[in-house]
Amino acid sequence: KQEVTQIPAALSVPEGENLVLNCSFTDSAIYNLQWFRQDPGKGLTSLLLIQSSQREQTSGRLNASLDKSSGRSTLYIAASQPGDSATYLCAVGRSGSRLTFGEGTQLTVNP
Amino acid sequence: NAGVMQNPRHLVRRRGQEARLRCSPMKGHSHVYWYRQLPEEGLKFMVYLQKENIIDESGMPKERFSAEFPKEGPSILRIQQVVRGDSAAYFCASSFTGSSGNTIYFGEGSWLTVV
Repeated sequence: KQEVTQIPAALSVPEGENLVLNCSFTDSAIYNLQWFRQDPGKGLTSLLLIQSSQREQTSGRLNASLDKSSGRSTLYIAASQPGDSATYLCAVGRSGSRLTFGEGTQLTVNP
Repeated sequence: NAGVMQNPRHLVRRRGQEARLRCSPMKGHSHVYWYRQLPEEGLKFMVYLQKENIIDESGMPKERFSAEFPKEGPSILRIQQVVRGDSAAYFCASSFTGSSGNTIYFGEGSWLTVV
């Protein structure tokens, strides 16, 4: 059974800081890994999708890496802004049939 | 191109009533997924559907819950005889295909409160 763990559960940083969110999973036989953002009372916004054959993906100030053999992914956020405050969720998938989510990291960026 | 549309956004039901949650996938998407987020917990997969077919319902509770995705119209998640433990946010997602290369897009959720 796949289990996904995210560390830390909560993080508070001053504006402008670079930060790293961590995700680990127990079964390395994944097809892809996806990072999402969730704002309070809202749905999920997909940030980055990494296929199992890829090592990283970048979008703007975000960079996600994947080390399938060790069961780890990191989400790097550069030059954080107050608007980045949200819960960040990591999810691993097999095909398109189901994603297994971590419980998220709640990020607060203080102005 | 409208995103995944869910309604109602908020629903209050008394114990024993039925709840129906609707989901219209993104235009061109024929794969729909339902997830549940209980208070203080992560999202849990419930069911994966294609038009007129249930592909994977391994995450659905065995009783009172059902889902459909008819040829025409939205996908429906139906909860019969609701109990307080059903209070949660129910998220629908869709994708163009079921392959690993496709991003899954989520709706904004339906918040069910059972009183």
